[in-house]
Amino acid sequence: KAGVTQTPRYLIKTRGQQVTLSCSPISGHRSVSWYQQTPGQGLQFLFEYFSETQRNKGNFPGRFSGRQFSNSRSEMNVSTLELGDSALYLCASSLYASGTNNEQFFGPGTRLTVL
Amino acid sequence: ILNVEQSPQSLHVQEGDSTNFTCSFPSSNFYALHWYRWETAKSPEALFVMTLNGDEKKKGRISATLNTKEGYSYLYIKGSQPEDSATYLCAFYLGNSGNTPLVFGKGTRLSVIA
Repeated sequence: KAGVTQTPRYLIKTRGQQVTLSCSPISGHRSVSWYQQTPGQGLQFLFEYFSETQRNKGNFPGRFSGRQFSNSRSEMNVSTLELGDSALYLCASSLYASGTNNEQFFGPGTRLTVL
Repeated sequence: ILNVEQSPQSLHVQEGDSTNFTCSFPSSNFYALHWYRWETAKSPEALFVMTLNGDEKKKGRISATLNTKEGYSYLYIKGSQPEDSATYLCAFYLGNSGNTPLVFGKGTRLSVIA
């Protein structure tokens, strides 16, 4: 069974630009969560989608948005990029929505650098 | 404790040593706790999902215990090997319904020296 895939793996953008990251969950998984990791910080929760609906949203500005398609693939978008948005962005899929104790399966991440 | 705290931040042990580290979380409103292993250049990988006070789980040389009343979980590695070198993350649902996202600790970075 193929794992979680994320594209692109690396991205360089400049301040003010916008970016879209993509995540394809494991086949059959309906929940996709997004996390940001910056140096010295733990994984910071961005949002979770389940069956095309946003279930939870982390404490991030409105420049961060996401969506999920009917095939469970998810995208996250960051508009008006800032230097502080440079980070590793991980997505994780699970069979059910968060809270049902099922483990999350992580993708390899997208390394975003904002210059 | 309002968030998940992990200690120590980093740890260096010799091959063959046994080691353990701690995850502390708010003892009220417990729902579930996850442990993940994150090796360099790889994706985080789930180790355990723990839900009941007194839970003990084991996977090979790695085991974990859970005390929800006092708000901590221990991860033990018996006879550490170089391939155990990784960052170990714990994550906790900040609510008692599980209808909240996982909150991750900053992790314990383990280095096993051959």
